[in-house]
Amino acid sequence: AQSVSQHNHHVILSEAASLELGCNYSYGGTVNLFWYVQYPGQHLQLLLKYFSGDPLVKGIKGFEAEFIKSKFSFNLRKPSVQWSDTAEYFCAVLYNQGGKLIFGQGTELSVKP
Amino acid sequence: GAVVSQHPSWVICKSGTSVKIECRSLDFQATTMFWYRQFPKQSLMLMATSNEGSKATYEQGVEKDKFLINHASLTLSTLTVTSAHPEDSSFYICSASDRGRGGYTEAFFGQGTRLTVV
Repeated sequence: AQSVSQHNHHVILSEAASLELGCNYSYGGTVNLFWYVQYPGQHLQLLLKYFSGDPLVKGIKGFEAEFIKSKFSFNLRKPSVQWSDTAEYFCAVLYNQGGKLIFGQGTELSVKP
Repeated sequence: GAVVSQHPSWVICKSGTSVKIECRSLDFQATTMFWYRQFPKQSLMLMATSNEGSKATYEQGVEKDKFLINHASLTLSTLTVTSAHPEDSSFYICSASDRGRGGYTEAFFGQGTRLTVV
């Protein structure tokens, strides 16, 4: 079955620390990959996406992600987090075969000032 | 990016009644729409995938007779929660995508609908 797994349920960091959130997906042919952020009380916002080409993609707010096809991974990174990055982060995979958009469990990021 | 409008933003209904939620793609044709349910502090659980002009595909465990999905046009999909019960109270989110020759485009999300059944 098609599935998406995020390794970290809750991550707590101090400001200026580096961030890496893991995301793995099950094989299912051609995929499009996304990271979304959800701030408290707000709806989803797209951070970045990968469709094809350079596997290192840059998104908004200093976030980037690397697609490693051999590992079925799409990890999210940020060199230096800020308190305002406190939010829930979701990895999502759109499987072209079958056309399903599946979300990971989400990772809650808490950044201490 | 493209705009997906979901209506209503919130609704309170009595137990046993039905509620219809609309999802519209405002500036693009959405051949595929996804319906999700999100519980507090949890992820988005895919309920069903609807393709324009055909029956929706429901995920395992989702009652298709309770959650009626209609995707009658390339810009509108509706989710009707029939005979609602308090346990149906949740946040429902729709997403729209367009499948071209090159595959699916990005998925755009509606604002979500907070359903409370009393």
